[in-house]
Amino acid sequence: SQQGEEDPQALSIQEGENATMNCSYKTSINNLQWYRQNSGRGLVHLILIRSNEREKHSGRLRVTLDTSKKSSSLLITASRAADTASYFCATVGGGADGLTFGKGTHLIIQP
Amino acid sequence: DTAVSQTPKYLVTQMGNDKSIKCEQNLGHDTMYWYKQDSKKFLKIMFSYNNKELIINETVPNRFSPKSPDKAHLNLHINSLELGDSAVYFCASSLRGAETQYFGPGTRLLVL
Repeated sequence: SQQGEEDPQALSIQEGENATMNCSYKTSINNLQWYRQNSGRGLVHLILIRSNEREKHSGRLRVTLDTSKKSSSLLITASRAADTASYFCATVGGGADGLTFGKGTHLIIQP
Repeated sequence: DTAVSQTPKYLVTQMGNDKSIKCEQNLGHDTMYWYKQDSKKFLKIMFSYNNKELIINETVPNRFSPKSPDKAHLNLHINSLELGDSAVYFCASSLRGAETQYFGPGTRLLVL
C-alpha cells in the first residue's frame, strides 16, 4: 500500500507567496525526505529530516515532522517561478533500502 | 559529467516486443535502483541492486529483469511488452545505508 499521501494534490499561488505542502505516512520511519521533480525531468533531493528531529531548514525550505501524527510539511518561502514543479515526500523504514513515495503535490507559481 | 544517465530518453515500441533500458552512474555508489512512474505520477520502486545482488524485488512481473554488469550499471530488460508497461522509468543510485538517492532523467516508454 502507498506509504505517503501529499496534500494538496495541486497548489497554485502567486510569486512571492509561501507554499505549504503536507505529507502523511503510515508506518514507522527512520527519516523522511522531500524531492522535487520538474516537468519531464528526474527527481532531485531537497531535504531530509530524521525521526528524532522536529524541524529543519535549508535556504527557503522549512520541513517539519510530527511522528505522533505521522505527518510532515514542506514550506517554501518567497516562492519563485522556478519553484514550479511536483514535490514528493519519501520514506525509508523497516530496513528497506528503496524509497516509498507519496503521490506528490503539483505546485504552480504564477508570475 | 552527468551523475546518473539513462538511455534511451524515449522508447516507443509495439506490444510483445522485448526492450532494454540502460543506466549508468559515475558517483561511485554501490547500490542502484529502478522506479516506475505511472501516468498519475505515482512512483514505485521496482528493484534495487547492491554489489550485483538483488536486495529488493517488489511485486513486478518476471517479464522485467534487472541486469548489472558492474556496480556502475544497472540495465532493465523487459520481455513481451504490454500496454500497461507504458510509464516513465527512473534509475537511481546511492551508497548502501545512505538515505539520499540520486535519480536519472527518466526513460519514457510508450507501448502501442
